[in-house]
Amino acid sequence: QKEVEQDPGPLSVPEGAIVSLNCTYSNSAFQYFMWYRQYSRKGPELLMYTYSSGNKEDGRFTAQVDKSSKYISLFIRDSQPSDSATYLCAGMGGAQKLVFGQGTRLTINP
Amino acid sequence: EAGVTQFPSHSVIEKGQTVTLRCDPISGHDNLYWYRRVMGKEIKFLLHFVKESKQDESGMPNNRFLAERTGGTYSTLKVQPAELEDSGVYFCASSRLIPMGYGYTFGSGTRLTVV
Repeated sequence: QKEVEQDPGPLSVPEGAIVSLNCTYSNSAFQYFMWYRQYSRKGPELLMYTYSSGNKEDGRFTAQVDKSSKYISLFIRDSQPSDSATYLCAGMGGAQKLVFGQGTRLTINP
Repeated sequence: EAGVTQFPSHSVIEKGQTVTLRCDPISGHDNLYWYRRVMGKEIKFLLHFVKESKQDESGMPNNRFLAERTGGTYSTLKVQPAELEDSGVYFCASSRLIPMGYGYTFGSGTRLTVV
């Protein structure tokens, strides 16, 4: 079983839609949860991070972590074509190494 | 500040050859990490340097892979001899020692193709 499970998609939505991206994880030692955005031929770029359970909002993006169900979510409001990318969730425990999901390829259609 | 620089950006080598990947972290970042993504799989951790010391090399696949970090600055990852299954994208990332290393900055990666 993978430590972080993520549906690879692809996911295609119209511009302006609310996008919901989700991951589940199995490692109870994870304390930090991250969402990375990766454009083609580029490295992952940190979008948001959350410590333990709870919500975090940054502009059009909201990250949620529910440790009781081991569920990680990212919501994108008013989606834009420039949001088209691969979105990667990741967890981190005591050791400073990220455990990634497979990534979800998202396309926002104008 | 300049980002994490990796080169080459792309390398095509024959099975059995040697390849060396280089990573220049952001200046002042003591943490340096190597990750790899093989086709169709998730990005996986290879190893972690703190300055010039290997903090965690639990993700290194086998002894054909050798990582070094000279003087705590740039790092190299050598694959010798390369095998077909080594093909993938190799990412380097760096972060400050404090706060916690979750604030990674990744490079654009080196795409390695072994034929």
